[in-house]
Amino acid sequence: GESVGLHLPTLSVQEGDNSIINCAYSNSASDYFIWYKQESGKGPQFIIDIRSNMDKRQGQRVTVLLNKTVKHLSLQIAATQPGDSAVYFCAERSNFGNEKLTFGTGTRLTIIP
Amino acid sequence: DAGVTQSPTHLIKTRGQQVTLRCSPKSGHDTVSWYQQALGQGPQFIFQYYEEEERQRGNFPDRFSGHQFPNYSSELNVNALLLGDSALYLCASSLYGTGGDNEQFFGPGTRLTVL
Repeated sequence: GESVGLHLPTLSVQEGDNSIINCAYSNSASDYFIWYKQESGKGPQFIIDIRSNMDKRQGQRVTVLLNKTVKHLSLQIAATQPGDSAVYFCAERSNFGNEKLTFGTGTRLTIIP
Repeated sequence: DAGVTQSPTHLIKTRGQQVTLRCSPKSGHDTVSWYQQALGQGPQFIFQYYEEEERQRGNFPDRFSGHQFPNYSSELNVNALLLGDSALYLCASSLYGTGGDNEQFFGPGTRLTVL
């Protein structure tokens, strides 16, 4: 079946450095993608989203890049802080109404002080 | 403005028992989705409720059922519990029919342990 997966299960980054989390998706019909952050003991928290008619979208300290040719998206976090330590998930959804979210396994980001 | 709330926080059951989990959506939201998150995995979609009806369902057996009430709150019921049902159960709320750019807000989850 279709799935959304991640390249790396863990990532350690020095505080203040930039981090990049990657995600591969396999459903070519997907045209809406979301990045979520999940801290221990909490539910996923929305970070940023992007539609398939875009290749880049920026938020506060975060940027999402989408490459539809290779079905890849990434999350860039600038100037990482200790509070960025969490598990990050990419999720895919179809473009109509409240369709289900399909999540990947996740990447654990650890910020080293 | 209250966010998504879930109860209970933790629950321990034995195999074969039945469990009911509860969710209250974010104020102004009318749609509730349920997800199962096994340890070390991403959330898996169970089903979605809108207007008190199940609108979409993931690949889960009939042992998983739900309900939505007129006040938009929802329950997830699991019958004949198996060890493999141990997981974090997440509720997400949203506003139906807003064209796809519709952020789903997640609750903190209920941690279910089946012994």
